[in-house]
Amino acid sequence: QQQVKQSPQSLIVQKGGISIINCAYENTAFDYFPWYQQFPGKGPALLIAIRPDVSEKKEGRFTISFNKSAKQFSLHIMDSQPGDSATYFCSFPKGPGGGNKLTFGTGTQLKVEL
Amino acid sequence: GAGVSQTPSNKVTEKGKYVELRCDPISGHTALYWYRQSLGQGPEFLIYFQGTGAADDSGLPNDRFFAVRPEGSVSTLKIQRTERGDSAVYLCASSVAPGQTYEQYFGPGTRLTVT
Repeated sequence: QQQVKQSPQSLIVQKGGISIINCAYENTAFDYFPWYQQFPGKGPALLIAIRPDVSEKKEGRFTISFNKSAKQFSLHIMDSQPGDSATYFCSFPKGPGGGNKLTFGTGTQLKVEL
Repeated sequence: GAGVSQTPSNKVTEKGKYVELRCDPISGHTALYWYRQSLGQGPEFLIYFQGTGAADDSGLPNDRFFAVRPEGSVSTLKIQRTERGDSAVYLCASSVAPGQTYEQYFGPGTRLTVT
């Protein structure tokens, strides 16, 4: 059973600041690391994902940094906006043979203040 | 296009009753997943369908939980003899067949409250 430790549990950032969320895992048998974003009353939606053969991936204001030796990866949100206020989950798919079922972290509730 | 839809959006039931939760996946998606999300937690996997068959039901907590997908599209999650601990948001997700993409598309969930 994959153990996932996500931190912090909650985060308050000023508008324009950088939000950083970390995720540590135990099992390295994954070939894809997605982050999901969830707004209140909605289901999670894929935000950004990285493969372990890449150390960093950037999409707009969102960047994933991956440290394979430390078994952790981080989500950075640059120029954070109030519209980014949501809960963020790192996740681990079991892969095609496992149907890609996801194990989620415990989540980080981000609030971006004006 | 239409996303994943779930009905009802809210369900309140008494302890011991039977409930059914419905999921309509995105058209053409062969993979369908059910997750359960408790307050302040990440979603937890329950069951995964590839087509009509349950390929992995290892996340179902006990035999009171059962799910079907008879025609490979709509799925129903069934909970017998509900208990207060079953209260949670039940999420459904669908995906193009595993091996083609890792992305799952989630519905808004059904909030189940057992009184």
